[in-house]
Amino acid sequence: GENVEQHPSTLSVQEGDSAVIKCTYSDSASNYFPWYKQELGKRPQLIIDIRSNVGEKKDQRIAVTLNKTAKHFSLHITETQPEDSAVYFCAAIFKRPAGGTSYGKLTFGQGTILTVHP
Amino acid sequence: EAGVAQSPRYKIIEKRQSVAFWCNPISGHATLYWYQQILGQGPKLLIQFQNNGVVDDSQLPKDRFSAERLKGVDSTLKIQPAKLEDSAVYLCASSLVLAGGHEQFFGPGTRLTVL
Repeated sequence: GENVEQHPSTLSVQEGDSAVIKCTYSDSASNYFPWYKQELGKRPQLIIDIRSNVGEKKDQRIAVTLNKTAKHFSLHITETQPEDSAVYFCAAIFKRPAGGTSYGKLTFGQGTILTVHP
Repeated sequence: EAGVAQSPRYKIIEKRQSVAFWCNPISGHATLYWYQQILGQGPKLLIQFQNNGVVDDSQLPKDRFSAERLKGVDSTLKIQPAKLEDSAVYLCASSLVLAGGHEQFFGPGTRLTVL
């Protein structure tokens, strides 16, 4: 079935340290892996995504790596700042048939509460 | 561009009552999603529309939940009757295309409390 496992559930770091969050997915056909950041009481917002045709993508202090063979992907945040404190969700697209085509169904991990201490 | 709009932002009801949520997606987005986010969990897809047709409602509790997108733009999600376990944030999202691999933009959500 469609399953995304995310670890750790909580992560506490000092300002300036790096943070790493890992996710595994069940469907080898998944080809799109977004990461969302959700601040308390706010909507989830996309911070970075990666497609299955690349192994790594960077955007300033944020990077995502993908290992298709092992079916896992990770979010790396370097030089963390207090404003990085939030809940981070990984997700994976699961392709499902719909008539003569297919559609993408996004399944989310359980979330990681990241706290960056000043 | 304007984002995904939802209303109301908060709703408190008694169990067995009914409630409805409204969503207006980003203009031009053909695909609309309703998610349920229980406290401490990731969003769970309830139903996915492509224009005014349902693509996936496999996780929608159809005995009490219903949703429609009659004109392929706005959508409503209804719960009747509500149970205590329905307490959650209901998020609406939209994306440009159906196939996946495109950013889903989320609305601010409706926080439902069932007493």
